[in-house]
Amino acid sequence: DAKTTQPPSMDCAEGRAANLPCNHSTISGNEYVYWYRQIHSQGPQYIIHGLKNNETNEMASLIITEDRKSSTLILPHATLRDTAVYYCIVRLNNQGGKLIFGQGTELSVKP
Amino acid sequence: DTAVSQTPKYLVTQMGNDKSIKCEQNLGHDTMYWYKQDSKKFLKIMFSYNNKELIINETVPNRFSPKSPDKAHLNLHINSLELGDSAVYFCASGDRGLSDTQYFGPGTRLTVL
Repeated sequence: DAKTTQPPSMDCAEGRAANLPCNHSTISGNEYVYWYRQIHSQGPQYIIHGLKNNETNEMASLIITEDRKSSTLILPHATLRDTAVYYCIVRLNNQGGKLIFGQGTELSVKP
Repeated sequence: DTAVSQTPKYLVTQMGNDKSIKCEQNLGHDTMYWYKQDSKKFLKIMFSYNNKELIINETVPNRFSPKSPDKAHLNLHINSLELGDSAVYFCASGDRGLSDTQYFGPGTRLTVL
């Protein structure tokens, strides 16, 4: 079973920041938070991951609370092409292990 | 360049038939996976191979048999197809290094009639 809970859906206006929350209250000390997204009919795509510190890359930022029980994925300037299902996944790093997908958040970016 | 490719993209077949889906990755990864996405869009791991050896088998019926001829390929053979096998099957390859990221193929939509 997935160790994360996410809202089933969210809307965001084009050009605005999209903030996607994730709860992972049972996360272990050595587990990372990963985010993937799946654009309609395509394979899932890696976005970002982190352990404790906030992370940023060309796609998004990841904010992890100090107690690590929740995190937020931020898409700073959402575009219509960011419409997708976003999955928050907790897992060990460097193990080559499986991804356990939950239901994810369906983000709709509207003009 | 396509990182992870799958063939065919669509597969329509009758119940009871045997079919195969092929997957190839050109990323140099040692680990490859098969995931199944059902009609409710739920994505679930089926198998994982590392250097041609099976390391994850998630209680998938033995009608499903993965085969890895080399570490760049992981094919999925399905015998005696059933209606419930209809789904989208995704192959992925994994970088077990620091990022431990998985790269997914475009998927194969299997329809069993």
